[in-house]
Amino acid sequence: DTAVSQTPKYLVTQMGNDKSIKCEQNLGHDTMYWYKQDSKKFLKIMFSYNNKELIINETVPNRFSPKSPDKAHLNLHINSLELGDSAVYFCASSQRLGQGGYTFGSGTRLTVV
Amino acid sequence: GQQLNQSPQSMFIQEGEDVSMNCTSSSIFNTWLWYKQDPGEGPVLLIALYKAGELTSNGRLTAQFGITRKDSFLNISASIPSDVGIYFCADLFSGGYNKLIFGAGTRLAVHP
Repeated sequence: DTAVSQTPKYLVTQMGNDKSIKCEQNLGHDTMYWYKQDSKKFLKIMFSYNNKELIINETVPNRFSPKSPDKAHLNLHINSLELGDSAVYFCASSQRLGQGGYTFGSGTRLTVV
Repeated sequence: GQQLNQSPQSMFIQEGEDVSMNCTSSSIFNTWLWYKQDPGEGPVLLIALYKAGELTSNGRLTAQFGITRKDSFLNISASIPSDVGIYFCADLFSGGYNKLIFGAGTRLAVHP
């Protein structure tokens, strides 16, 4: 059983479309995150949720809307996709807020054409 | 904002060689973490350090938390082809809510 699973693994879509990425963790962790990895492999936090509550919104455009229906799930919806949104998006979880041993999913490679 | 300076940016070594990489910051941290990312996968935690001066090993990997709390290094001994990947240092930034920030990564290539 995969600890942090994301779907889809690959997503190719046209500019202007709306798309969602789903994430689920079966570790019983309280805190979940979305990270963006750009073409230079730099990893930057986007959002964090603790027990379904938004904790961090790292100046991400409001076209990006995370949703956490329960503490095991954190989905990412992106409206009006732009070319610059092309990146690999990683979901991660940690046992609790402030604990650094994050478990990452295997990523969703988003390509906007 | 907070920044971690990781070096070298990339390394090309022969199988069997030892490798050393490091990370520095202008800020003091209470935690240093080292992650490895294999191609097409997410980062995986290798070693976590929680105390200044701490030296921790995980198989062929050894990492140390600098005494000044502003730096850390990771050593890999007797490298093998599966050591290929990107190694990231990371710190918990405690300004406001804790968040994990990453260095830019060291890309390691190992030639058989």
